[in-house]
Amino acid sequence: ILNVEQSPQSLHVQEGDSTNFTCSFPSSNFYALHWYRWETAKSPEALFVMTLNGDEKKKGRISATLNTKEGYSYLYIKGSQPEDSATYLCAFVIFGNEKLTFGTGTRLTIIP
Amino acid sequence: EAQVTQNPRYLITVTGKKLTVTCSQNMNHEYMSWYRQDPGLGLRQIYYSMNVEVTDKGDVPEGYKVSRKEKRNFPLILESPSPNQTSLYFCASSLGDRGLSFEQYFGPGTRLTVT
Repeated sequence: ILNVEQSPQSLHVQEGDSTNFTCSFPSSNFYALHWYRWETAKSPEALFVMTLNGDEKKKGRISATLNTKEGYSYLYIKGSQPEDSATYLCAFVIFGNEKLTFGTGTRLTIIP
Repeated sequence: EAQVTQNPRYLITVTGKKLTVTCSQNMNHEYMSWYRQDPGLGLRQIYYSMNVEVTDKGDVPEGYKVSRKEKRNFPLILESPSPNQTSLYFCASSLGDRGLSFEQYFGPGTRLTVT
């Protein structure tokens, strides 16, 4: 089973501050990297899917970057708001394999 | 409304009593998948299907069966449930039957307790 690691496991951030966290994955045979946002008592919702080294994607105040050669992706949140409180999951796909392997997530809490 | 539905949402059952959790999507997606979520372990893939009549094992398939007779439906079957299958289950679907380069749409989840 491939390992996808996310750090930190949990994070408390003051409202208005910016933050970022990391997803590390095996760099060989890379195909795609997914980010999901999972609020308590809801279902995970897709943020980004990235496939190319150097990809940068943005949705509102949230953005992500991808480095496939060294095997990591960063998720950035600018000017955190209380509604950003959630667990952020990344998931990895290797070439020729139709399976999605998830990390255990970073639990973000925004302090008002 | 585009969505993935699962039924039941909550289920308490006893060891050994066969059960089926249904999953249906109305987005004409080729790819469908089942995951289980356990504390500290993250989402783990049970089975997936790239299209009708095409299914394959994920990382934790033991004790589960699936079928894909129609594009929209992907039921999860527990022939003889055991307490270690107590978990939160999610069904998901996405476009594309080759390569997961599209986002997954998740159902609302099914909380299963096996006593």
